[in-house]
Amino acid sequence: DTAVSQTPKYLVTQMGNDKSIKCEQNLGHDTMYWYKQDSKKFLKIMFSYNNKELIINETVPNRFSPKSPDKAHLNLHINSLELGDSAVYFCASSQPKGGLQETQYFGPGTRLLVL
Amino acid sequence: DAKTTQPPSMDCAEGRAANLPCNHSTISGNEYVYWYRQIHSQGPQYIIHGLKNNETNEMASLIITEDRKSSTLILPHATLRDTAVYYCIVRVTSFKTIFGAGTRLFVKA
Repeated sequence: DTAVSQTPKYLVTQMGNDKSIKCEQNLGHDTMYWYKQDSKKFLKIMFSYNNKELIINETVPNRFSPKSPDKAHLNLHINSLELGDSAVYFCASSQPKGGLQETQYFGPGTRLLVL
Repeated sequence: DAKTTQPPSMDCAEGRAANLPCNHSTISGNEYVYWYRQIHSQGPQYIIHGLKNNETNEMASLIITEDRKSSTLILPHATLRDTAVYYCIVRVTSFKTIFGAGTRLFVKA
């Protein structure tokens, strides 16, 4: 009964290719996120979606396009992959409780390696 | 930028309490203190959060100073499986959480 799941777990691809990562949550949450964790292990937010609408885009290149077909899914499509895109990508979800109280639940991550 | 300061690493003996400090001197009245941890390369895991009162759950205790400028996460009986990076976070705005570098806790046998 995984709360937040991601596929694939590993992704190895060539520069210039286009790839997608999928995320699903079964927690009934309204908000979903994508984070990137690079080789230096810093975890940086990329996108926030609330009720299928984009709320936050943290100056992510246009090559990254999130899509939320419904509240339970937030997919990440990456065009023209570059070496610098190699990282671990984490999906997360949360249910805001008002104010700044919000607990996030993370998926297991997708390890992307661009060759 | 993260609003918290944590030591980069700490050691703890197995079975002992691990006390992880966090400074958040610029915290505002409505901002919560959250703790997450990341074991190896797994997804971050929620531990506990609080506003101004001390909190306890099955994983840990959170002690927040009266002026709310600092807090301590306490793992009462650390095990080897508690070796992880622990993140102290003060949320600045809705829909956005900023993770700092965290504290790398090593639990030693």
